[in-house]
Amino acid sequence: AQTVTQSQPEMSVQEAETVTLSCTYDTSESNYYLFWYKQPPSRQMILVIRQEAYKQQNATENRFSVNFQKAAKSFSLKISDSQLGDTAMYFCALPSGSGGGADGLTFGKGTHLIIQP
Amino acid sequence: DTEVTQTPKHLVMGMTNKKSLKCEQHMGHRAMYWYKQKAKKPPELMFVYSYEKLSINESVPSRFSPECPNSSLLNLHLHALQPEDSALYLCASSQDLRLTEAFFGQGTRLTVV
Repeated sequence: AQTVTQSQPEMSVQEAETVTLSCTYDTSESNYYLFWYKQPPSRQMILVIRQEAYKQQNATENRFSVNFQKAAKSFSLKISDSQLGDTAMYFCALPSGSGGGADGLTFGKGTHLIIQP
Repeated sequence: DTEVTQTPKHLVMGMTNKKSLKCEQHMGHRAMYWYKQKAKKPPELMFVYSYEKLSINESVPSRFSPECPNSSLLNLHLHALQPEDSALYLCASSQDLRLTEAFFGQGTRLTVV
């Protein structure tokens, strides 16, 4: 079964700083996607960035980038020039199931990121 | 349009009531999901529909009854709920079960009194 581990329950940084959220996972699949979702107090789960395991190049979306280490099963999220609006819960996620038929997403426990003014 | 719309946003219901949650997407996605999320916890999968057929039922009590009338719409019918069922209920959709990308609605905050 797939597992996702986020070892940082809470992090706090100053506005404009760079912060890295860590995530490790386990899966027996050879090709899969990995996701980072953001859930602000408004509670909607917003897709921040995704990475296809088949691709070696790390995904980037504006201020958000990932450090994907497939062999180490590590998938960290870097937020550059952090902004107050980045304050939220961040969940790392991986499709469950196998054989191309996912059983929804397996989520880590989340990291509560607080951006201080 | 990457929008998944859930209604209502908030719902308070008594333990003897019957209510329904609604989820709609117009992205042509053929997989839809219901998740339950308790405070400060990650979402937990309840049901998966693929091509309007129930694919996964994660041992959810029968007081929760899902329905997928068409490819754009997903309902969750609620009956005789317990206070411990109070939670945020999230709907999500993806193109198919390969889950290359998944989009979530804003959720329904349910309180059972």
